[in-house]
Amino acid sequence: QKEVEQNSGPLSVPEGAIASLNCTYSDRGSQSFFWYRQYSGKSPELIMFIYSNGDKEDGRFTAQLNKASQYVSLLIRDSQPSDSATYLCAVESYGQNFVFGPGTRLSVLP
Amino acid sequence: DADVTQTPRNRITKTGKRIMLECSQTKGHDRMYWYRQDPGLGLRLIYYSFDVKDINKGEISDGYSVSRQAQAKFSLSLESAIPNQTALYFCATSDRTGGTEAFFGQGTRLTVV
Repeated sequence: QKEVEQNSGPLSVPEGAIASLNCTYSDRGSQSFFWYRQYSGKSPELIMFIYSNGDKEDGRFTAQLNKASQYVSLLIRDSQPSDSATYLCAVESYGQNFVFGPGTRLSVLP
Repeated sequence: DADVTQTPRNRITKTGKRIMLECSQTKGHDRMYWYRQDPGLGLRLIYYSFDVKDINKGEISDGYSVSRQAQAKFSLSLESAIPNQTALYFCATSDRTGGTEAFFGQGTRLTVV
């Protein structure tokens, strides 16, 4: 069974700090990797996606992928209280379903 | 209007009742999904459909059924609701080619009493 694992948290960081969120996956055939942000009671919204090994930056967010280690991470620079949410890692193999991790709850303290 | 619309948004029903949750989308996507979310358990796949004639069970399909009435519509039914089906339910869609993101509806909060 394909699995995606994340630390459930909560991860607490002070405002302005870097938040680091981690995700590991079991299926070596996975090809697409996504980070979603979900506020309590709301639907998930896409933050970043990454397909290739290395780093991908978008504003304050950086996704990092290491397929050899089956590891994907999300860095949030200059964290803001509005970043407080649950972050879901999702993995997709071509032609297959998305598999979601349990999510990491992030709390950014003012 | 939302690209992926779920109805109802909230529902309270009694044990043993049949209930249908509906999902419609305007994104033109072939793939549609139903997920259930419980606190601390993330999103768990109930059923998915890659096109109108394709229906597949997910990891937690017991107690649920689905109908893909058209490319744009995918309904989830609880034939005889039980309290442990109380959860937040999400419909999602994605493009047929894969490798692209899933788009989520607003969610349906279902309570079975």
